[in-house]
Amino acid sequence: TQLLEQSPQFLSIQEGENLTVYCNSSSVFSSLQWYRQEPGEGPVLLVTVVTGGEVKKLKRLTFQFGDARKDSSLHITAAQPGDTGLYLCAGAPNSNLFFGTGTRLTVIP
Amino acid sequence: ETGVTQTPRHLVMGMTNKKSLKCEQHLGHNAMYWYKQSAKKPLELMFVYNFKEQTENNSVPSRFSPECPNSSHLFLHLHTLQPEDSALYLCASSQESGRYNEQFFGPGTRLTVL
Repeated sequence: TQLLEQSPQFLSIQEGENLTVYCNSSSVFSSLQWYRQEPGEGPVLLVTVVTGGEVKKLKRLTFQFGDARKDSSLHITAAQPGDTGLYLCAGAPNSNLFFGTGTRLTVIP
Repeated sequence: ETGVTQTPRHLVMGMTNKKSLKCEQHLGHNAMYWYKQSAKKPLELMFVYNFKEQTENNSVPSRFSPECPNSSHLFLHLHTLQPEDSALYLCASSQESGRYNEQFFGPGTRLTVL
């Protein structure tokens, strides 16, 4: 079993649609991070959520940390082709980061 | 050069070859990491160096040998690899190791073992 399960694994949508990606675990995390990885590049940090129930917004992206700090979601409004990439959640039960299984998003123009 | 750079970007090697991957960070960070990214597995942490000292070896086979001569440079020496070692190898750095530190990743080295 994976420490951090993401769903869906793959998502293909039309430009302008909304979507939500989920990151779930049976473990409690003191914080969770979301990264986006584009083809040929390494992951880039989007946000860190620390407090249970916390909601953070980054332009059209909304991140939420579950009240119990075991899960997180990423909602994208009016998706654009530039949002295409692999979205990874990551949590640190100890001093090291564990990455989720990833959601590969394709936004079709 | 800025950020985290990795060379080479692509590498093809036979199982009997010896090669090295290089990572350099220009961010003044004190922690550096090696990760393995395979097609069907989550990103896997391999090694962590904090202030040039190895602080984590995540049960990595001895055919992978890391070296950190200073806080800016990290190497991964490869020998007698197996085809299942083919993957994207990512280097990252952070101010220090620890759960709250943002990690900055390089573009990776795409390794193919024949």
